[in-house]
Amino acid sequence: DAGVIQSPRHEVTEMGQEVTLRCKPISGHDYLFWYRQTMMRGLELLIYFNNNVPIDDSGMPEDRFSAKMPNASFSTLKIQPSEPRDSAVYFCASRTYPWGAREPGELFFGEGSRLTVL
Amino acid sequence: AQSVTQPDIHITVSEGASLELRCNYSYGATPYLFWYVQSPGQGLQLLLKYFSGDTLVQGIKGFEAEFKRSQSSFNLRKPSVHWSDAAEYFCAATGFQKLVFGTGTRLLVSP
Repeated sequence: DAGVIQSPRHEVTEMGQEVTLRCKPISGHDYLFWYRQTMMRGLELLIYFNNNVPIDDSGMPEDRFSAKMPNASFSTLKIQPSEPRDSAVYFCASRTYPWGAREPGELFFGEGSRLTVL
Repeated sequence: AQSVTQPDIHITVSEGASLELRCNYSYGATPYLFWYVQSPGQGLQLLLKYFSGDTLVQGIKGFEAEFKRSQSSFNLRKPSVHWSDAAEYFCAATGFQKLVFGTGTRLLVSP
């Protein structure tokens, strides 16, 4: 399997611009997570989906952030308008948790998208 | 609220010395527990996990961790550290849904 694929790997943009980060989870995984990593706050869970449905978006910092999962193989995280404080590494991760299973499957991470907002 | 605490931000260990990284959790019930490692510019890789059963779990790269319910701890250990172990280590916990991470411990390995 190709693993979790994120794009772009690096993005440099100017304040006020729209940013779209993309994620392709591992095929067959029914949970998808978006995390943000900064020096100050560490790894923060922004939002996660189960079977393409957003379950918990309480970590989304502001209305400027939005996430979608139109199908099982694709998700986007959008920031509009972007601000310098949004500069961070954004990780997508996926896992499976089959119905009736006693334990969740391993969470697999993409390599991250490093966002710099000038 | 669910939380994971890693009290040490940085730890420096001499190559060949033993290592212990601390992790404490606060959950309503015993969660599933994990340790991840992150090398610079990379994503997170799973080192080991605890779900139930034997409280001492073995992972990859010679790491092990011990679950202690009475102390709400899940400390990571390695008997002899190699220079390639220098990285950031994250403890994490989950109930059935989302995974909550600690703030991480950066391991530096001195010659």
